[in-house]
Amino acid sequence: DTGVSQNPRHKITKRGQNVTFRCDPISEHNRLYWYRQTLGQGPEFLTYFQNEAQLEKSRLLSDRFSAERPKGSFSTLEIQRTEQGDSAMYLCASSPGTSGEGETQYFGPGTRLLVL
Amino acid sequence: ILNVEQSPQSLHVQEGDSTNFTCSFPSSNFYALHWYRWETAKSPEALFVMTLNGDEKKKGRISATLNTKEGYSYLYIKGSQPEDSATYLCATEASGGSYIPTFGRGTSLIVHP
Repeated sequence: DTGVSQNPRHKITKRGQNVTFRCDPISEHNRLYWYRQTLGQGPEFLTYFQNEAQLEKSRLLSDRFSAERPKGSFSTLEIQRTEQGDSAMYLCASSPGTSGEGETQYFGPGTRLLVL
Repeated sequence: ILNVEQSPQSLHVQEGDSTNFTCSFPSSNFYALHWYRWETAKSPEALFVMTLNGDEKKKGRISATLNTKEGYSYLYIKGSQPEDSATYLCATEASGGSYIPTFGRGTSLIVHP
């Protein structure tokens, strides 16, 4: 399967613990996005990378959240000192990044986080 | 930030019924609109991307229209099948080069056999 993959698919953690999620985009896709989706809401943008550069961060992204894409391929999203409000589905998407706006994004299956 | 509204929030139809949903958005600074289908336990799947006023796109039994002047898009499903059951998400991009879509809350469709 050459689509976007995310690991783990599910994560249960206790409040205060740190968690890290991984996203492997479609090979050669330059843009990589992270979103958070909670029940009854659409995906909310968190951050995006053009190659290894993090170009935008949402104001939703508190300083407990950090994302990296060190070699312009896979990306990690870390949440430090998790809170119950962090419980959500975390989605990753990638796009070619070769044209302007209006590119289709290809999504992974998401990582569902539950903070107890 | 574009305020993207989708209606209805959920919809139950019988197999064979045709149905449609609405996505509305502010028409100023509009650049592109995306429709995605998200089945439970799967990845959201892109259906259409539209940019021009009056655009119509079709994929099998699913079609979409776009009116950028009044700020809405319709998604139509003809002869719904149980496998069409999913959440249908609409997302818009503003002009200006940010490449960041704003998603609506989605319409949850359940097609009963």
